[in-house]
Amino acid sequence: ETGVTQTPRHLVMGMTNKKSLKCEQHLGHNAMYWYKQSAKKPLELMFVYNFKEQTENNSVPSRFSPECPNSSHLFLHLHTLQPEDSALYLCASSQTAGPGELFFGEGSRLTVL
Amino acid sequence: GNSVTQMEGPVTLSEEAFLTINCTYTATGYPSLFWYVQYPGEGLQLLLKATKADDKGSNKGFEATYRKETTSFHLEKGSVQVSDSAVYFCALPLDTGRRALTFGSGTRLQVQP
Repeated sequence: ETGVTQTPRHLVMGMTNKKSLKCEQHLGHNAMYWYKQSAKKPLELMFVYNFKEQTENNSVPSRFSPECPNSSHLFLHLHTLQPEDSALYLCASSQTAGPGELFFGEGSRLTVL
Repeated sequence: GNSVTQMEGPVTLSEEAFLTINCTYTATGYPSLFWYVQYPGEGLQLLLKATKADDKGSNKGFEATYRKETTSFHLEKGSVQVSDSAVYFCALPLDTGRRALTFGSGTRLQVQP
């Protein structure tokens, strides 16, 4: 138990569907992140939020839409995805000061048909 | 920005063998360095970290020393177990002042009984 919970753990969706991934952290952190982990590729940073404000968008296509209503919750809204978007989506959180350790959830495995 | 290179896998060892996974980095200044581990079906967990040059991080029998002269942070363990089978990632902050981490491509370790 890392203190970061992601739901659902597995998601299968068609290219025309709309779905959302949810992340919740119980660590009192103020920064949250979305990473994408694809087979045979390094982890890719997607978005960063600090104190609910988006501070980084790593050129992510608009079919991925993040939302951070408070420092404990982070969502990734998905619509009109492509099969190449199939991956493990990892949420992480951290403090905003200190040596920079990230705490990860177990991930949401997304399959786009 | 900062970057990290780690050795390609997979690495296959027999139980009780000595493990080394190489990691070298390119960075501005002297950022904190991390090793994360990902067990099958799970997210990333922090294994160990070092926050300044010559520091040695250690956990669960694993060690890594922050060497600024060779810009390296190699992971070692004296006697691996089957339960150590996982993917190991070297990581450091994307850039000075940024908390998001950049990760190496990961090294898969398989330990055989």
